[in-house]
Amino acid sequence: AQSVAQPEDQVKVAEGNPLTVKCTYSVSGNPYLFWYVQYPNRGLQFLLKYITGDNLVKGSYGFEAEFNKSQTSFHLKKPSALVSDSALYFCAVRPFSGNTGKLIFGQGTTLQVKP
Amino acid sequence: DSGVTQTPKHLITATGQRVTLRCSPRSGDLSVYWYQQSLDQGLQFLIQYYNGEERAKGNILERFSAQQFPDLHSELNLSSLELGDSALYFCASSRQTSNTEAFFGQGTRLTVV
Repeated sequence: AQSVAQPEDQVKVAEGNPLTVKCTYSVSGNPYLFWYVQYPNRGLQFLLKYITGDNLVKGSYGFEAEFNKSQTSFHLKKPSALVSDSALYFCAVRPFSGNTGKLIFGQGTTLQVKP
Repeated sequence: DSGVTQTPKHLITATGQRVTLRCSPRSGDLSVYWYQQSLDQGLQFLIQYYNGEERAKGNILERFSAQQFPDLHSELNLSSLELGDSALYFCASSRQTSNTEAFFGQGTRLTVV
């Protein structure tokens, strides 16, 4: 079965410290991977994606993510967290099959950045 | 602003009723997706349309149906509503179906009482 796992329901970091939000996936074939962020009472905002090429991808608001094929992971990172980064983060995978664009989402990780 | 517009933002209705949620995709996007977000199920893919035709189906109940019109806007119809259908329903759109990101609307919060 195709799935995405975000093993941490919540991540807490202090402002200025680096942050990591973890994501692992299980799909057949080469997946397309995405990170989205959701602020309270808002829709999901696209942060970054991995399609092919360099395993380190850079996205919006200083976020980056590293694709690791052997570990089937796509962890989201930021060198220096801001209080305004506090939100709900979703990892998603688009299976490379069937010419559909559907996304399979993880359960989400709440990031709390303390001043 | 993602460019995807959903109406209404909030909807409160009684069990057994039928509602229609509307989505206008970003200009130029041919694909429209519907997702349901609930506390117990998380974000679940419901259905995708591409240029007016159904492209993929997910965990969509038989009581639910959708369509995409010639002007590319889409509607999600929910009928015989149950308390468990209360959720946030998102529409998203994308240029293509494979390697492009989807942009999400702000959602319609449905409350069934």
